[in-house]
Amino acid sequence: SAVISQKPSRDICQRGTSLTIQCQVDSQVTMMFWYRQQPGQSLTLIATANQGSEATYESGFVIDKFPISRPNLTFSTLTVSNMSPEDSSIYLCSVRGAGMNTEAFFGQGTRLTVV
Amino acid sequence: SQQGEEDPQALSIQEGENATMNCSYKTSINNLQWYRQNSGRGLVHLILIRSNEREKHSGRLRVTLDTSKKSSSLLITASRAADTASYFCATPIYSGAGSYQLTFGKGTKLSVIP
Repeated sequence: SAVISQKPSRDICQRGTSLTIQCQVDSQVTMMFWYRQQPGQSLTLIATANQGSEATYESGFVIDKFPISRPNLTFSTLTVSNMSPEDSSIYLCSVRGAGMNTEAFFGQGTRLTVV
Repeated sequence: SQQGEEDPQALSIQEGENATMNCSYKTSINNLQWYRQNSGRGLVHLILIRSNEREKHSGRLRVTLDTSKKSSSLLITASRAADTASYFCATPIYSGAGSYQLTFGKGTKLSVIP
């Protein structure tokens, strides 16, 4: 299992500003995943963060808007840049073991409201 | 892209009743997982059922899988107010380089009335 500490838990931000979300894992993991959950919707994968290499972004998400850092095997940050009200969502980080038959562990989520 | 589709989207029951949620998916899978989310917080893994399993139990949870119909169901027996949450099914999709990403359904919002 893995315990993930994610912060901030919530924030209200002005449009045009940026917010950096941090996730700290209690064990070393190869891949960390960042998801967005828009109000009342399911989770959409933003990107996969690998230590020592560039993050891999999903279709519809770009590095300029969602830069990710992964300085070591227990920590990652996601920045939401130049925010607009459409970025209001819950952002979640997650880790999984290698292979297909493994469960995912999630941080507590960051509820972002852009005004 | 969305792999799983849950129904119903919302379900309201009385405490003590059973709650059944269904998930349909599109492509072949190796396993299907169910997660719970309390009011916009992080998701918690409930149960994983492999493609060669038909039924699995964990406490008050019972999950079935019908690969011929590409569907799964989650049954919560003797529900409690604390079961109020959103429930999501998820399946691993191969994303290259030996790694798998989880794709989540739209979720069922369960309300258990005391």
